Amino acid sequence: NAGVTQTPKFQVLKTGQSMTLQCAQDMNHEYMSWYRQDPGMGLRLIHYSVGAGITDQGEVPNGYNVSRSTTEDFPLRLLSAAPSQTSVYFCASISGLGVPGSPLHFGNGTRLTVT
Amino acid sequence: AQKITQTQPGMFVQEKEAVTLDCTYDTSDQSYGLFWYKQPSSGEMIFLIYQGSYDEQNATEGRYSLNFQKARKSANLVISASQLGDSAMYFCAIYRVQGAQKLVFGQGTRLTINP
Repeated sequence: NAGVTQTPKFQVLKTGQSMTLQCAQDMNHEYMSWYRQDPGMGLRLIHYSVGAGITDQGEVPNGYNVSRSTTEDFPLRLLSAAPSQTSVYFCASISGLGVPGSPLHFGNGTRLTVT
Repeated sequence: AQKITQTQPGMFVQEKEAVTLDCTYDTSDQSYGLFWYKQPSSGEMIFLIYQGSYDEQNATEGRYSLNFQKARKSANLVISASQLGDSAMYFCAIYRVQGAQKLVFGQGTRLTINP
């Protein structure tokens, strides 16, 4: 099973460039989310989706857009990259909304550097 | 709002000793869950253990156990007989059974096992 697949693994951008981080899962999970991980800050939620066509903001949404046109895919768009967006990004999904104990399945992360 | 606090930024333990990683949480939800994840230096997030707020027994998974004290709102991870491979970052997270924003993470504890 592929699980949660994130691409690319590494990316370097210049300030002002745009890009899309891809996330796909093959587990038919309703819930998908994007986190960023910064030293000393843990994982902070950027955006999440509880199903196709439904997205909402997390803790740190500014500078990022998402869409959920299918159950499988949840891309994260950086419209105009800034050095403050240098971070490691994780996509994660979970099944069984409301079912306790279902672990969050993580992708392997994307290390983004904005110069 | 949900909040997770991990007060130990770093811990150093001798191999084969037991170690306790602290986690306290704040929530107004009656039904919730608590997760622990391990992040080795390779970067992936590995699910370790889950405790539901209504579970009467403390969760155990092999060498991992969770010391759940609901009244104190603490969910400490205990690793018995530590091994060199346990060196990693450890994250505590609270899961909302109700509501769409599912998981909130603590800042993490970096555990180093010395030979």
